[in-house]
Amino acid sequence: SQQGEEDPQALSIQEGENATMNCSYKTSINNLQWYRQNSGRGLVHLILIRSNEREKHSGRLRVTLDTSKKSSSLLITASRAADTASYFCAWRYGGSQGNLIFGKGTKLSVKP
Amino acid sequence: DTGVSQNPRHKITKRGQNVTFRCDPISEHNRLYWYRQTLGQGPEFLTYFQNEAQLEKSRLLSDRFSAERPKGSFSTLEIQRTEQGDSAMYLCAIRDVENTGELFFGEGSRLTVL
Repeated sequence: SQQGEEDPQALSIQEGENATMNCSYKTSINNLQWYRQNSGRGLVHLILIRSNEREKHSGRLRVTLDTSKKSSSLLITASRAADTASYFCAWRYGGSQGNLIFGKGTKLSVKP
Repeated sequence: DTGVSQNPRHKITKRGQNVTFRCDPISEHNRLYWYRQTLGQGPEFLTYFQNEAQLEKSRLLSDRFSAERPKGSFSTLEIQRTEQGDSAMYLCAIRDVENTGELFFGEGSRLTVL
C-alpha cells in the first residue's frame, strides 16, 4: 500500500485535554501536511511543515517532523467538541510535483 | 467554501451501470486531482491533470475508469460497468501553484453500487 501509518487509529478524549496523533511515512519528502475531515465531508488543509523544519505552530495546533525517523506528530491543545473529526497526514515524494500520499488517519472524538 | 464544486453529491446505481462525476473549480487552477476514499481509510490517489493533460495515473485506475479535463477547467470521472467494489467517496482537489502544494478539496461524490 502507498499509505503510511497513523496511530492511534482512534482516540477519544474529554474536552480540554490535549490530543496527539502520530504519522509515519516511507520515503524522502518535500513537506508534510495535515488535513482534517468531518464525517462525510471533504478534507480541509490544516498545516504544512517543510522537510527542513522541525516544529511548527498554528493556533492550537503544533506539528513536529523528524525526517530521520520518517515521522510526524500533530498535537491539538485544549481540545473542543468541534475538533471531533478524522485527521490525516499527507506527503509528496521528494522532487515530485504530482500526487499527495495520505495516511490512513486518526479518528478523534472529543466529548463535552 | 474551498472553491471546488462536485456533482452529484451522492449517486446510487446498480452494478453494471455507468456513472459520471463532475468537478468544477470556481477559478482557474492548472492542477486538478482525483482521489478515492473508502470507509475508514485515507484518500487514495487516482489521477492528476496539469491543465488538460493527464500527467499521472494510479494503478487503481483500471480500464473501466476514465478521466478528462477537456478545456483545462472542469473535469469528469467516468466509471463504466460499475462493480460493488467501486462504492466509495470520489474526491476532487485543486492545487494552487502559488503555494507550496496544499490541496483544496471538494465535498466529494459518494457512489453506492448495489
